[in-house]
Amino acid sequence: DAGITQSPRHKVTETGTPVTLRCHQTENHRYMYWYRQDPGHGLRLIHYSYGVKDTDKGEVSDGYSVSRSKTEDFLLTLESATSSQTSVYFCAISDYDRGWTEAFFGQGTRLTVV
Amino acid sequence: AQRVTQPEKLLSVFKGAPVELKCNYSYSGSPELFWYVQYSRQRLQLLLRHISRESIKGFTADLNKGETSFHLKKPFAQEEDSAMYYCALSGNFGNEKLTFGTGTRLTIIP
Repeated sequence: DAGITQSPRHKVTETGTPVTLRCHQTENHRYMYWYRQDPGHGLRLIHYSYGVKDTDKGEVSDGYSVSRSKTEDFLLTLESATSSQTSVYFCAISDYDRGWTEAFFGQGTRLTVV
Repeated sequence: AQRVTQPEKLLSVFKGAPVELKCNYSYSGSPELFWYVQYSRQRLQLLLRHISRESIKGFTADLNKGETSFHLKKPFAQEEDSAMYYCALSGNFGNEKLTFGTGTRLTIIP
């Protein structure tokens, strides 16, 4: 398995609290992504990064922010959690060298906002 | 804007029958297309990509630029093919995002 880990794996939090999810890789891949997976919606891109301190928004970025201060870590922060952010969150990594490499996915973080 | 459409949320096929999972895309340029699969309780993993033209686990997919499609096919379904399948797209140069469709849950009926 590619070296990609997410933490925590499960979290229950209250509405209005900030939450930070961490994605850590040991593959030295340039690209990192955060997705949320919801029934009927598939995988929707929240934010992605194409290098240290280089990030961009995905299709469902409202209410989320990210940071990437070093190659191996990509943090996703829910600034003020809402029940609509209850979901399974996946981090992925990939690279580009005359073509895209396979994207490797973390095991997911199940977040429940109560 | 880039978009991937998978029109079927659910697909049930009898064992031994042919399988076709549909994928259409929208992208202004030359895309790279992928199929990813998620088996029960496992991570999402790459099944195949159009540039390699491989056949993985009996699955093939051909990029049709005229119809902007990348349908996944297998001539004879097997029970172990039951899984969630996602079509995905990216641009063919760096700094591009990887966009997924909504997925199709394939169930093979014994």
